[in-house]
Amino acid sequence: GDSVTQMEGPVTLSEEAFLTINCTYTATGYPSLFWYVQYPGEGLQLLLKATKADDKGSNKGFEATYRKETTSFHLEKGSVQVSDSAVYFCALRSVGGSARQLTFGSGTQLTVLP
Amino acid sequence: EAGVTQFPSHSVIEKGQTVTLRCDPISGHDNLYWYRRVMGKEIKFLLHFVKESKQDESGMPNNRFLAERTGGTYSTLKVQPAELEDSGVYFCASSQLGTGENTQYFGPGTRLTVL
Repeated sequence: GDSVTQMEGPVTLSEEAFLTINCTYTATGYPSLFWYVQYPGEGLQLLLKATKADDKGSNKGFEATYRKETTSFHLEKGSVQVSDSAVYFCALRSVGGSARQLTFGSGTQLTVLP
Repeated sequence: EAGVTQFPSHSVIEKGQTVTLRCDPISGHDNLYWYRRVMGKEIKFLLHFVKESKQDESGMPNNRFLAERTGGTYSTLKVQPAELEDSGVYFCASSQLGTGENTQYFGPGTRLTVL
């Protein structure tokens, strides 16, 4: 079945540092890929997505590129801020069939220190 | 426009008791999903409603869990009787009906602790 493996945390960085959170997936066909973020006390928010190979999703300075050859969707940001402290979840949704649910990774806790 | 809301935000119960979680989706969203995250692990799918009908309940762990969505609006998830392993955060999400890529909007979750 479908699965998502993401970098285990927690990750602690200083402000303005470079961020990479690795995510790889296993799925049949060509799934859509997502990064969700959960800020403290809030629900999951869609951060960015990509629906086909080589697509790059971007939002709020974060980027991730859909790499079919390596089945990866790594999240990057060039300069993190304290306000980026949150839990980040990589997820996929298979296309085709009737299934509409998301399959998530285990989440990566990011703490950015001033 | 109001987002997805969930009630309660926290619930602490003893093993063997019953708990009912509620989710109010975004108005007009026919798709409603329940997920849960247990012990800091991955968020796992529980079930999917389309309006009032259960489209997919393949993720429901056992028959102690009962989900309903009468009238196709809000949904409840009842756990009866609760066990220790049911502790975790229960998320609800909703999306518009359609064949395209419809974003799922999540609520803040209900943190359930079973003692």
